[in-house]
Amino acid sequence: KAGVTQTPRYLIKTRGQQVTLSCSPISGHRSVSWYQQTPGQGLQFLFEYFSETQRNKGNFPGRFSGRQFSNSRSEMNVSTLELGDSALYLCASSLGQSSGNTIYFGEGSWLTVV
Amino acid sequence: GQNIDQPTEMTATEGAIVQINCTYQTSGFNGLFWYQQHAGEAPTFLSYNVLDGLEEKGRFSSFLSRSKGYSYLLLKELQMKDSASYLCAVRDRSRSGGYNKLIFGAGTRLAVHP
Repeated sequence: KAGVTQTPRYLIKTRGQQVTLSCSPISGHRSVSWYQQTPGQGLQFLFEYFSETQRNKGNFPGRFSGRQFSNSRSEMNVSTLELGDSALYLCASSLGQSSGNTIYFGEGSWLTVV
Repeated sequence: GQNIDQPTEMTATEGAIVQINCTYQTSGFNGLFWYQQHAGEAPTFLSYNVLDGLEEKGRFSSFLSRSKGYSYLLLKELQMKDSASYLCAVRDRSRSGGYNKLIFGAGTRLAVHP
């Protein structure tokens, strides 16, 4: 069974550009969440999607957005990139909306903004 | 507010036992996860506690006391490859219905020495 797949794994962007990251959850999983990890702030929640609907959102500016498709795949977009957006972006997958479900992480997308 | 505390660093000897503590204060507790993260890699799932008590999985065990807002991860028969960061994360239920938001502690860096 394939794990959570994130693409691209590594990318370098220039300030002011935008970036789109993709996540394919574990087969059968319908809930996808996104996190940002930086050395200074640790792991911080961005947003959560289930059945193509955003269920929860973290404290990030509106430049950060996401969506989920009918096949449960998800994308997140960051517009007008800033140097501080350089981070590891992690996608997490879970079966559904239940406290009994385990949450698994993908290998992440390393974003460097120069 | 929401707060998760765990020690910043710990050291231990190969073959020994180490206990990593985590205390939390969150508004909507729905379970507690432990993840292992090696440098430059994504978090990997170790254990999940929803109810009070001990969960054992091979060399790893995790304990939860919801009334005390306390958990620990116990690692037995330590190996060099156990040198990593260990992340305590609380599943927070949102008012908007999301189930899969995780609030992370800063992580505990464990160094295992021969």
